[in-house]
Amino acid sequence: GQQLNQSPQSMFIQEGEDVSMNCTSSSIFNTWLWYKQDPGEGPVLLIALYKAGELTSNGRLTAQFGITRKDSFLNISASIPSDVGIYFCAGLKNNDMRFGAGTRLTVKP
Amino acid sequence: KAGVTQTPRYLIKTRGQQVTLSCSPISGHRSVSWYQQTPGQGLQFLFEYFSETQRNKGNFPGRFSGRQFSNSRSEMNVSTLELGDSALYLCASSLVPINTEAFFGQGTRLTVV
Repeated sequence: GQQLNQSPQSMFIQEGEDVSMNCTSSSIFNTWLWYKQDPGEGPVLLIALYKAGELTSNGRLTAQFGITRKDSFLNISASIPSDVGIYFCAGLKNNDMRFGAGTRLTVKP
Repeated sequence: KAGVTQTPRYLIKTRGQQVTLSCSPISGHRSVSWYQQTPGQGLQFLFEYFSETQRNKGNFPGRFSGRQFSNSRSEMNVSTLELGDSALYLCASSLVPINTEAFFGQGTRLTVV
């Protein structure tokens, strides 16, 4: 099935910098989710968004559900070394879940 | 509360063999979904079980099958393994079918040689 378009594919940033990544789709979704995956582990849910226009924070993480319901973005402020990993977006509609290809984040101390 | 448990963590099989992977969901969760993760294709949905019934199925060949037991534990089977089946297989559990509060296990790394 059609996967989501997630960008950028990878990011190399300095510790303390802010990060932004986004996900777009040609289809609308009822729920947007953001996961983080560490090497050799399963994805861990970071933020769930349920309503168009919703802006939700979880510590240094902020995510928004796009007004068109076809996109979402995730911001990480003041990055730290443990933010390293792969971030995935996921869209959910009618029990159908699609994933982005992931954004690989590297944080240089 | 114990998380989602997948066994084994690592597996090496040869082409043509078959393999069975196991997933024990979080206690009380009745939905189990399976995903294949590869560097090239990313996370792809395989199938989902709820109350011992397959509710949804992704676009994978019939060599991939699964089942769920009355205690909600699920198994996934791949027959006639191919090199391209090498991947990280993840399962996720949730209270209800593909609910937003889905929790992933650590995965089973399958290598086909």
